[in-house]
Amino acid sequence: DGGITQSPKYLFRKEGQNVTLSCEQNLNHDAMYWYRQDPGQGLRLIYYSQIVNDFQKGDIAEGYSVSREKKESFPLTVTSAQKNPTAFYLCASRGGPREPQHFGDGTRLSIL
Amino acid sequence: AQSVAQPEDQVNVAEGNPLTVKCTYSVSGNPYLFWYVQYPNRGLQFLLKYITGDNLVKGSYGFEAEFNKSQTSFHLKKPSALVSDSALYFCAVRDGNYGQNFVFGPGTRLSVLP
Repeated sequence: DGGITQSPKYLFRKEGQNVTLSCEQNLNHDAMYWYRQDPGQGLRLIYYSQIVNDFQKGDIAEGYSVSREKKESFPLTVTSAQKNPTAFYLCASRGGPREPQHFGDGTRLSIL
Repeated sequence: AQSVAQPEDQVNVAEGNPLTVKCTYSVSGNPYLFWYVQYPNRGLQFLLKYITGDNLVKGSYGFEAEFNKSQTSFHLKKPSALVSDSALYFCAVRDGNYGQNFVFGPGTRLSVLP
């Protein structure tokens, strides 16, 4: 079955530590996205990538970094510069310009 | 700039009754509109979309939505609610002319009471 796989499902970060969230898709989609979801808020865009080796900052990119070395993979690193990282992180991909996004099942990041 | 409003944080409806979840939007170009549903600790699942054509769009699980250009609205509806429809619903818009990205509303929590 085609889809998006996010791992791990739960992640804990210590002070001063960088952590990396994995996102892999086998849908052959060019576009991939990372969102942050906080309680009572909608989804906020962190980074997006339209093609391999290219990515753009979203609305809340500070304290985060990404790479897009392969079409299938779009990992997100939450750096120690992100002072309030506790949230639910969602990865998505999209096929054609009129198509919806497909979402993974998220990673919940907490602070130790 | 694109924006989406979902004016109700919470909607309560009795099982078997019709339900409506409201969404209004603002875009510069042609609106591409989407509805998603989210269950606890899960990602968003796509329900339906409006790109062009018939203003009444039918989607998954018996849901439908009506595009109203003059009111810039895209309300989600279902004729008969099920308890299993209880979830968080998100409306999203993408500017078909100028935008690469989607803007999501804040979400509406639907509770269907048995």
